[in-house]
Amino acid sequence: QVTLRESGPALVKPTQTLTLTCTFSGFSLSTSGMCVSWVRQPPGKALEWLALIDWDDDKYYSTSLKTRLTISKDTSKNQVVLTMTNMDPVDTATYYCARMPVAGPFDYWGQGTLVTVSS
Amino acid sequence: DIQMTQSPSSLSASVGDRVTITCRASQSISSYLNWYQQKPGKAPKLLIYAASSLQSGVPSRFSGSGSGTDFTLTISSLQPEDFATYYCQQSYSTPPVTFGQGTRLEIK
Repeated sequence: QVTLRESGPALVKPTQTLTLTCTFSGFSLSTSGMCVSWVRQPPGKALEWLALIDWDDDKYYSTSLKTRLTISKDTSKNQVVLTMTNMDPVDTATYYCARMPVAGPFDYWGQGTLVTVSS
Repeated sequence: DIQMTQSPSSLSASVGDRVTITCRASQSISSYLNWYQQKPGKAPKLLIYAASSLQSGVPSRFSGSGSGTDFTLTISSLQPEDFATYYCQQSYSTPPVTFGQGTRLEIK
């Protein structure tokens, strides 16, 4: 079955760089039409899409955050990595990775990882 | 970017009620509209995709309709486990992916 799991630090300091890893199973990111995205959710707020990487290694970013984000994949390890630079307390959120067939819905989600930005 | 607007932002209802949540896109998205349910501390769960297709395993009391710019999610008879926050999301023009701001469904 399809599973995704996020991992990374629970606490980062302001100005630091956050690195999150999504490790997945049950599908391949080399399959045509397959994508993995990162989505975040500040406490009590709505979902916000951050970045997407597709089977062809094309990468897309949120317009408002694109200068701070980098997404990459390691197909052999079934992993997608997101880095976000210059972290700020407003970036405190639960970060999710999710599978998304191209033009499709997010059909599988990880359980999410809470990242707190505080000195 | 396509903006998604949900209404209402919150809703109080009773078990057994019929509930409708609306999502409007800032431009036509054909039927590329998905609905998710999220419970506190949990990841979102896909309910409806392509505006009206029920995701496998989702109870039939959930239904979706609409095309173009206006969409609805209907719960025909609310059950206790349905009290949650619901989000719409467009997959017509992606990326970027855009979500609605959410509708919180509370017990009356």
